[in-house]
Amino acid sequence: DTGVSQDPRHKITKRGQNVTFRCDPISEHNRLYWYRQTLGQGPEFLTYFQNEAQLEKSRLLSDRFSAERPKGSFSTLEIQRTEQGDSAMYLCASSLRQNTGELFFGEGSRLTVL
Amino acid sequence: RKEVEQDPGPFNVPEGATVAFNCTYSNSASQSFFWYRQDCRKEPKLLMSVYSSGNEDGRFTAQLNRASQYISLLIRDSKLSDSATYLCVVKAGGNYGQNFVFGPGTRLSVLP
Repeated sequence: DTGVSQDPRHKITKRGQNVTFRCDPISEHNRLYWYRQTLGQGPEFLTYFQNEAQLEKSRLLSDRFSAERPKGSFSTLEIQRTEQGDSAMYLCASSLRQNTGELFFGEGSRLTVL
Repeated sequence: RKEVEQDPGPFNVPEGATVAFNCTYSNSASQSFFWYRQDCRKEPKLLMSVYSSGNEDGRFTAQLNRASQYISLLIRDSKLSDSATYLCVVKAGGNYGQNFVFGPGTRLSVLP
């Protein structure tokens, strides 16, 4: 499968723990996006990368959220000191730089904070 | 005001019906517009881009009114397989960043 892959698909954690999600984009795509989606809502933009550069991060929900893409390939999204309100689906998407509209999404990582 | 707003839904229509979805956006600097489809418990997928002159793809027609900051999607002769959530997506350009902003979605159920 050469699509966007995310890991883990499901994560259950206790409040206060740190969690990290990984995203492997489609190999030739140099733009990578992170979104959060809660039930009944559309995806909410968090951050995006062009290659290894994080070009937009002002919408990260708090300073507990951070993302990296160290070599311009896979990316990680870390949430520190998780709260129950962080429970959501975390979606990763990638696109070609020249592409104007098609984001290819992974199946998402579902986080449940107890 | 949210950046992208859509009809709240859900829309329940019989097979063969025509259904229209509406979307408004607040950022006048928005440059690109799209409709995505999201099936239950699945990831969003691009349905179609929306061009200023309006565009059609089979049973689907998208319209854009920049002056009113309004986007629409029309589905004709709806099929059971059209049941999904339809997401309006707006992308600003230039100095406003490259993020794609999704609306909350409108859920459609096509009934036999």
